[in-house]
Amino acid sequence: QSVLTQPPSVSEAPRQRVTISCSGSSSNIGNNAVNWYQQLPGKAPKLLIYYDDLLPSGVSDRFSGSKSGTSASLAISGLQSEDEADYYCAAWDDRLNGVVFGGGTKLTVL
Amino acid sequence: QVTLKESGPVLVKPTETLTLTCTVSGFSLSNARMGVSWIRQPPGKALEWLAHIFSNDEKSYSTSLKSRLTISKDTSKSQVVLTMTNMDPVDTATYYCARMNIPAYGDYLRDNWFDPWGQGTLVTVSS
Repeated sequence: QSVLTQPPSVSEAPRQRVTISCSGSSSNIGNNAVNWYQQLPGKAPKLLIYYDDLLPSGVSDRFSGSKSGTSASLAISGLQSEDEADYYCAAWDDRLNGVVFGGGTKLTVL
Repeated sequence: QVTLKESGPVLVKPTETLTLTCTVSGFSLSNARMGVSWIRQPPGKALEWLAHIFSNDEKSYSTSLKSRLTISKDTSKSQVVLTMTNMDPVDTATYYCARMNIPAYGDYLRDNWFDPWGQGTLVTVSS
């Protein structure tokens, strides 16, 4: 029942490309910046993409973000086993006056 | 190096009040381009934003938990404190604090991001 909708899981083979979607509405993604966080097993979340498509210093350029209308996507190319993690999208929601997260997507590298 | 560290009780009883402290280093809570948020994650579940506070003491709370939460800061101690009243077993979670970064462009609420995060502290609510 998260405000932002993500697929619960995705899987792909090593060296391939995968995308994770994040669907929202005009009160969040449609008008505000989308950020993506990576959570490795047993670890705290880490910023992966900010302001829709910007890459923080130190994050691999295999990760990229995009947004169109009320949906956003995270793409990971050249998949590696170390990319296995949970991925969360987040955005400010004008109606709720707070940050909303997606339900998270578990990435499995086959 | 910017770090945030959460501290507080590991175990609280139902109906008790939880007090968590986030101690920051490497930046000042008086920095107008930064703030601190609290986020929690029940075991095996998704992240949930709880509250934030900015350098000018502006605060905001999760709509669903607003009546139970209070956030405050002590700039001189580099600490942000979150209190949650009337704890229940469903509040069992790992609680994180994270720095909010405000861009030079855009809106301070709508365009900020969390980086870095603290390591988190697991709080269990049980009698």
